[in-house]
Amino acid sequence: AQSVAQPEDQVNVAEGNPLTVKCTYSVSGNPYLFWYVQYPNRGLQFLLKYITGDNLVKGSYGFEAEFNKSQTSFHLKKPSALVSDSALYFCAVRDLSSNTGKLIFGQGTTLQVKP
Amino acid sequence: ETGVTQSPTHLIKTRGQQVTLRCSSQSGHNTVSWYQQALGQGPQFIFQYYREEENGRGNFPPRFSGLQFPNYSSELNVNALELDDSALYLCASSLAGGTGAEKLFFGSGTQLSVL
Repeated sequence: AQSVAQPEDQVNVAEGNPLTVKCTYSVSGNPYLFWYVQYPNRGLQFLLKYITGDNLVKGSYGFEAEFNKSQTSFHLKKPSALVSDSALYFCAVRDLSSNTGKLIFGQGTTLQVKP
Repeated sequence: ETGVTQSPTHLIKTRGQQVTLRCSSQSGHNTVSWYQQALGQGPQFIFQYYREEENGRGNFPPRFSGLQFPNYSSELNVNALELDDSALYLCASSLAGGTGAEKLFFGSGTQLSVL
């Protein structure tokens, strides 16, 4: 079965410091991986995706993610955190057993950036 | 903002009742998916509609049903509400390209409380 794991419920960083939000996946075959962000009382917003190609993917708002096939990870990173980055982050993988765009989401990681 | 609108934003129902949630897709998008997000969890795929036909379903009972209209707007219907149906219901639209690599555009959701 395909799955996604986000091992940290919460990540705390100081503004200006680099941040990493971890994600590992389990799929058979080549994964399609996504990161979404959810602000309070809002729906999910797309940040970035990895389909194929360069292992370092750049996305919205200065975020990037590194695909590591040997470690089955897709960690989200940002060189310098902003207070406004505080939100709930979801990693997701496309369900390759389905012929739909169905996404399997992780449990989410709350990012808290303190001034 | 994604251009996906959902109504109502909040809803309170009692156990055993029926509810209809509505979603207006982003302009030009012909595919809509519905997700259930329980408190503290990642979104769970309910089903997907493409050109008015259901073309994928998650692990939800038949009392969860849907419709997609010619203008690609959509409804989610839930019969015989149970307490565990209390959740945020998210609608997401996309332009189906058949690759599964397309990003989803989410609405802000409908918060359903079942008492």
